[in-house]
Amino acid sequence: NAGVTQTPKFQVLKTGQSMTLQCAQDMNHNSMYWYRQDPGMGLRLIYYSASEGTTDKGEVPNGYNVSRLNKREFSLRLESAAPSQTSVYFCASIKQVYSNQPQHFGDGTRLSIL
Amino acid sequence: AQKITQTQPGMFVQEKEAVTLDCTYDTSDPSYGLFWYKQPSSGEMIFLIYQGSYDQQNATEGRYSLNFQKARKSANLVISASQLGDSAMYFCAMREASTGTASKLTFGTGTRLQVTL
Repeated sequence: NAGVTQTPKFQVLKTGQSMTLQCAQDMNHNSMYWYRQDPGMGLRLIYYSASEGTTDKGEVPNGYNVSRLNKREFSLRLESAAPSQTSVYFCASIKQVYSNQPQHFGDGTRLSIL
Repeated sequence: AQKITQTQPGMFVQEKEAVTLDCTYDTSDPSYGLFWYKQPSSGEMIFLIYQGSYDQQNATEGRYSLNFQKARKSANLVISASQLGDSAMYFCAMREASTGTASKLTFGTGTRLQVTL
């Protein structure tokens, strides 16, 4: 069982380039999330999709867009990358809300913007 | 105001000793859940333990236990009999029922634990 799969694992971009980070889960989960992790700041929520067909902004959405392509896939797009978006990006998913189930995380994408 | 506060940026513990990692939280929601995750140097996020606000007993999972003090709004992680493999970053996170179907997590800034011989 693969769980949550993120691609790519590493990427280097130049300022102004665009990029889509892919995330797919095979656990039939309903909700999916994108976080960024920066040194000393923990994980911060960028966007989330509570269910297929819906997306909403999280704490730090500026400079990003998302698409919930289907129940399995949730992509994050940087339209014009900036050095401030250098970070480690995590995708996560959960099947049911109102429960004690934890979010399951992918292994992360390390993104550097020069 | 910070919803999750982890005041220990770094901790050292000797192998086989117990260690407590602190976490305090701030919420007015009567229904919430608290999670601890481990992030080793390889980078993945590993779920360790969960405590619900209405749980009567402190959560335990193997060598991990939660010292949950609801009135003080603290949920400290206790690792017993530390092992070298416990060296990692540890994050406390909270999910408030008021976030509804979003089921969003708010994370603390983490504590880096180093286990020494």
